[in-house]
Amino acid sequence: GAVVSQHPSRVICKSGTSVKIECRSLDFQATTMFWYRQFPKQSLMLMATSNEGSKATYEQGVEKDKFLINHASLTLSTLTVTSAHPEDSSFYICSARDLERELFFGEGSRLTVL
Amino acid sequence: AQSVTQPDIHITVSEGASLELRCNYSYGATPYLFWYVQSPGQGLQLLLKYFSGDTLVQGIKGFEAEFKRSQSSFNLRKPSVHWSDAAEYFCAVGAGRNNDMRFGAGTRLTVKP
Repeated sequence: GAVVSQHPSRVICKSGTSVKIECRSLDFQATTMFWYRQFPKQSLMLMATSNEGSKATYEQGVEKDKFLINHASLTLSTLTVTSAHPEDSSFYICSARDLERELFFGEGSRLTVL
Repeated sequence: AQSVTQPDIHITVSEGASLELRCNYSYGATPYLFWYVQSPGQGLQLLLKYFSGDTLVQGIKGFEAEFKRSQSSFNLRKPSVHWSDAAEYFCAVGAGRNNDMRFGAGTRLTVKP
């Protein structure tokens, strides 16, 4: 099946710094990608929908200035957590949709903010 | 908007026993329905999906699920559970133009030897 790669898989940063997470569709073009956040032992919460070449659509309650999403190409979307704080520590997962509307998930990125 | 309910937070079954994980959804039209499995610290793996057609769908690892419109349910089943099936299971519904996906709270499966 199709592969979606996330990088980095783990990142530790200091409070106040910014962290960028990449989501790549390796063998298909994805006009739409989704970003999710998962707290320990909880479900995935949709943060935003990322469409190639346009602004992301954020879910209610998600700060768009804090979680910057860029979908500059058909194979890459990035999530930047700006001025990270310990409460931003979480597991972030992306998914990408192919032309047949099937979704493929990345392996996730664990962010720890000290 | 669509929503998903997984009533069981944690289920324990003996190895070799049968399994059924419950999932109920809420959506005005026919949704796209999915079951995913997640091992600790890992991403999600698709077990099976329902878009249309036969309401009994077969997935990987011996799992199957049945879409019942009248009950708004999409329960996951396996006739004989293996120890390696211990994981977190998520039911999800996709709908709308972007097919944005909403997840249930998840059911943690423990398998006793």
